[in-house]
Amino acid sequence: GDSVTQMEGPVTLSEEAFLTINCTYTATGYPSLFWYVQYPGEGLQLLLKATKADDKGSNKGFEATYRKETTSFHLEKGSVQVSDSAVYFCALSDPGANSKLTFGKGITLSVRP
Amino acid sequence: DTGVSQDPRHKITKRGQNVTFRCDPISEHNRLYWYRQTLGQGPEFLTYFQNEAQLEKSRLLSDRFSAERPKGSFSTLEIQRTEQGDSAMYLCASSLALGQGDGYTFGSGTRLTVV
Repeated sequence: GDSVTQMEGPVTLSEEAFLTINCTYTATGYPSLFWYVQYPGEGLQLLLKATKADDKGSNKGFEATYRKETTSFHLEKGSVQVSDSAVYFCALSDPGANSKLTFGKGITLSVRP
Repeated sequence: DTGVSQDPRHKITKRGQNVTFRCDPISEHNRLYWYRQTLGQGPEFLTYFQNEAQLEKSRLLSDRFSAERPKGSFSTLEIQRTEQGDSAMYLCASSLALGQGDGYTFGSGTRLTVV
């Protein structure tokens, strides 16, 4: 079955540090890939997505590139801010699965001033 | 449109009681999903509707769980004879059926605590 594996957390960084959150996946079809973010007290929000190999999704300074050869979709940001503190989930949607999402466990990012 | 609404935000119930949650999706969205999220885990798929038809149910959805979406608008998720293992955040999401590349809009969830 489909699965998503995220690096273990939590992650604590200083403001303006570089961020990488690793995500790898296993899928039976050719999935679309997503990063969702959950800020404290709020619902899940779509951060970015990529639908085919070598696509780069980007939003709010975050980027992730769909790497089919390594089945990865790592999230990066060049300079994190305190306001980026949240839980980040990597997810996939398999074409044969009615667009339901399979999520990783999530990772908590804390950015200190 | 204010997005996906879920009610209640929090529910505390005694073991063995029945509970019902409501989800109001974005009005033009024809797909509606229910997910469950336990502490330290990502959301797990429970069930999905296209309009009023329930098209898929996860094996996580035991016989004590039932979901409906009358008239293809709001949806309800009922848990009968609740158990402590049912304690979780129940998330609703909606989307347009335009293909797998389209992301969802999630509600803020209903947090269930079974004591």
